[in-house]
Amino acid sequence: AQKVTQAQTEISVVEKEDVTLDCVYETRDTTYYLFWYKQPPSGELVFLIRRNSFDEQNEISGRYSWNFQKSTSSFNFTITASQVVDSAVYFCALSDATSGTYKYIFGTGTRLKVLA
Amino acid sequence: ETGVTQSPTHLIKTRGQQVTLRCSSQSGHNTVSWYQQALGQGPQFIFQYYREEENGRGNFPPRFSGLQFPNYSSELNVNALELDDSALYLCASSFEGFSGNTIYFGEGSWLTVV
Repeated sequence: AQKVTQAQTEISVVEKEDVTLDCVYETRDTTYYLFWYKQPPSGELVFLIRRNSFDEQNEISGRYSWNFQKSTSSFNFTITASQVVDSAVYFCALSDATSGTYKYIFGTGTRLKVLA
Repeated sequence: ETGVTQSPTHLIKTRGQQVTLRCSSQSGHNTVSWYQQALGQGPQFIFQYYREEENGRGNFPPRFSGLQFPNYSSELNVNALELDDSALYLCASSFEGFSGNTIYFGEGSWLTVV
């Protein structure tokens, strides 16, 4: 079965600290895609990154970096030198064709609070 | 901004009523998906439309139905509203959604059922 687990419900950090958001996934497909989205209070889910199952290279984009490890079925997200504007709920999602449709399975999200 | 627009942004309905939510997809996108997000939860897949045909459905009852139009815009209809239908309804569009492409979300419609 498909499943995404974000064990951290809420994290609070002080501005400029580094923070890592954990994501563990389950799927039986060999072809799948992993995503991170940011949801500010307005509600819109903002796309951050997409990764396919055949590309395990880590990625860095400015203060954001992602660590994909198939061996542990994890796709963790690190924010370096956090800022107050990073405060939001972050969702990890999995998409594969197990059900015949590339629907997204979301985790329950991690609420990040960055304190000034 | 993703170019996906939804209306209305907020609405209040009474239990038993019907509601229609609308979504305009991003230019060039032919696939629309709808998700329900209850408070404090992650979005749950309702269904997906590809070129005006339903292309997959989540674990939602038949009173949740949808349409996609030739211009790829879409509607979500919910009949016989229940209190548990109170949620944020998110529309997302993509190109060739069956292939695992990235989906881009609108700002959602906040539905309250009283």
